[in-house]
Amino acid sequence: DAKTTQPNSMESNEEEPVHLPCNHSTISGTDYIHWYRQLPSQGPEYVIHGLTSNVNNRMASLAIAEDRKSSTLILHRATLRDAAVYYCILNLWGTSGTYKYIFGTGTRLKVLA
Amino acid sequence: EAGVTQFPSHSVIEKGQTVTLRCDPISGHDNLYWYRRVMGKEIKFLLHFVKESKQDESGMPNNRFLAERTGGTYSTLKVQPAELEDSGVYFCASSQGLAGYNEQFFGPGTRLTVL
Repeated sequence: DAKTTQPNSMESNEEEPVHLPCNHSTISGTDYIHWYRQLPSQGPEYVIHGLTSNVNNRMASLAIAEDRKSSTLILHRATLRDAAVYYCILNLWGTSGTYKYIFGTGTRLKVLA
Repeated sequence: EAGVTQFPSHSVIEKGQTVTLRCDPISGHDNLYWYRRVMGKEIKFLLHFVKESKQDESGMPNNRFLAERTGGTYSTLKVQPAELEDSGVYFCASSQGLAGYNEQFFGPGTRLTVL
C-alpha cells in the first residue's frame, strides 16, 4: 500500500530554515506530492505540492528527489506561527478514476523563540 | 468568502445511538471529501463526492456509515449505530477541480466521542 514516512517531531529556532523530510518510496509516476499543515483546533491547510520538479511559493519550497522517492519541505525562516503538524501526502491516481489523498502520520514542528 | 464549515464541532453520544455530521463546502466546489482520524492513527480518506454522486467510497469502514449529498451542495455523514471505535475527528474538505494538483480546503472537523 502507498504510504509516506515522516519523523514524529522536529525542533527549530525562530528565523532559521527548517527542512522537513518525507519518504514515499511507493510513489507512482502519476502521483502528486502535497504538503499540508495543521494548527491546533483547525483542519489541515494547504502548503505546497509538486510532481517532479522543485517548487516555490510564498509559504515554502518543495524539493523532490530525482527518483521521487523522497521530498523535503523547506520553510526558509521559521516563525512561531509555523509551529504545527506538517503532513506529507501522496495524491494517488486510483481505480475510481480520480485522485485520493493518502496522509502520512505527520511531523510536529516546534519553533523555539 | 466562507470556508468549509462543519457542524457540530463536538458530539458526545452513547454506543448504539445515531449521529449525523454536516459539512458545507465552499460555494461552487463540486468535489467534497470526508476523512477521519481515530486516536493515534493518521488521517484516512472515507469518500469523495462529485456533485451529488459518490465517485469513490472505498474508505468507508462499514455499512453503519452513510454519506449523502443531496442537490450537490452540503453533505451529511450518518453513523448508525455508533460504536466505540468510531470515536475520532471527522474532517470534510472541498475542491474545485479533480486534477492531481488541485488543493483541498478542509473544515475544522467534528470531534465525535462514543461512550
